[in-house]
Amino acid sequence: GDSVTQTEGQVTVSESKSLIINCTYSATSIGYPNLFWYVRYPGEGLQLLLKVITAGQKGSSRGFEATYNKEATSFHLQKASVQESDSAVYYCALNNNAGAKLTFGGGTRLTVRP
Amino acid sequence: AQTIHQWPVAEIKAVGSPLSLGCTIKGKSSPNLYWYWQATGGTLQQLFYSITVGQVESVVQLNLSASRPKDDQFILSTEKLLLSHSGFYLCAWSQGEQYFGPGTRLTVL
Repeated sequence: GDSVTQTEGQVTVSESKSLIINCTYSATSIGYPNLFWYVRYPGEGLQLLLKVITAGQKGSSRGFEATYNKEATSFHLQKASVQESDSAVYYCALNNNAGAKLTFGGGTRLTVRP
Repeated sequence: AQTIHQWPVAEIKAVGSPLSLGCTIKGKSSPNLYWYWQATGGTLQQLFYSITVGQVESVVQLNLSASRPKDDQFILSTEKLLLSHSGFYLCAWSQGEQYFGPGTRLTVL
């Protein structure tokens, strides 16, 4: 079946420094899956941060970017300069062509030090 | 605007007791609905999905069941809780992307 791997369970970064959260995937469906980053801020629900449905394209939101790399089967999340308010848990996810099932990675807890 | 509500917010239950978790979506007719579960330290897994009233598809077998008695309501239940049912339960609806509710934290003792 489909799977998503986030290698870091926790990441700590100082404010204004750059960030990369790794995500790789394996999809068994025909064609290319849709890729997503979701975020859960403290005390809030899970919300969509960005999505990319076309291989080779880049998605961006709130200063975060992620590029759909089909050769490397990766969808890493990056930000040039993090803020304390970015502290949250970030989940990489994919859905297959049927669209009904989202497969999530294990999540990465980001702590931004002031 | 669409809103999604889950109840209860949190629940502490004994092993072997019954459970019912609810989810209601307002402002969207005939949504696709989903239940997800995350064990402590684990990954979010989809449990069930429903595309119409009265029809529910199971994705993962966890000795849980789901029902959709109304267009805007999705219920997750079991007659006998296990310790392994502890975790965080999320309901979601979709229109392209999936939109998640605030979740219910379940502790089984």
